[in-house]
Amino acid sequence: GQQVMQIPQYQHVQEGEDFTTYCNSSTTLSNIQWYKQRPGGHPVFLIQLVKSGEVKKQKRLTFQFGEAKKNSSLHITATQTTDVGTYFCAGGTYKYIFGTGTRLKVLA
Amino acid sequence: DTGVSQNPRHKITKRGQNVTFRCDPISEHNRLYWYRQTLGQGPEFLTYFQNEAQLEKSRLLSDRFSAERPKGSFSTLEIQRTEQGDSAMYLCASSLGPPAGGLYEQYFGPGTRLTVT
Repeated sequence: GQQVMQIPQYQHVQEGEDFTTYCNSSTTLSNIQWYKQRPGGHPVFLIQLVKSGEVKKQKRLTFQFGEAKKNSSLHITATQTTDVGTYFCAGGTYKYIFGTGTRLKVLA
Repeated sequence: DTGVSQNPRHKITKRGQNVTFRCDPISEHNRLYWYRQTLGQGPEFLTYFQNEAQLEKSRLLSDRFSAERPKGSFSTLEIQRTEQGDSAMYLCASSLGPPAGGLYEQYFGPGTRLTVT
């Protein structure tokens, strides 16, 4: 069945440093969604990418969808302590398979 | 608060007992999803509904699990003869779906944490 992997599993950065998480699917995706889950919370939708090669920005966050629609990335510029949490990608059409997540810790 | 509510928030049960969880989605959302999440893992897809129709159920899901969405509104997830391995956070999410256009972002509820002793 479809698998969605994310790397790295954990990332500790100093506040102000950049952060990137990568998402790879075993199959071509019709679209990909990104979610953030704070410790003790539930996943919160960040963005959806649909088109091959699509790039979207939200303030300090940049999302990319690969040309082959099998991979995606999330880049955070100049991390802040409020960025702490686990970032999940989720690929699918009508049902979504979530990735393994990247847990981000920001050291002040 | 996303507008998706789940009850109960916590459930402790003994092995072998049956449990039922409820999810109330955002009223205009026609899609409803159930996921299971264990510590350090991503949400694992269990099943999803489009209105009242259950369109897919994970092949990994035991026959002890059943879900319903009568009248296309709230949904229930029942686990029969619970096992210790069922201990997890059970998340419900809702979204718009076809024929509505736009993004089909999922709004998650706070989850029901199940502990099987």
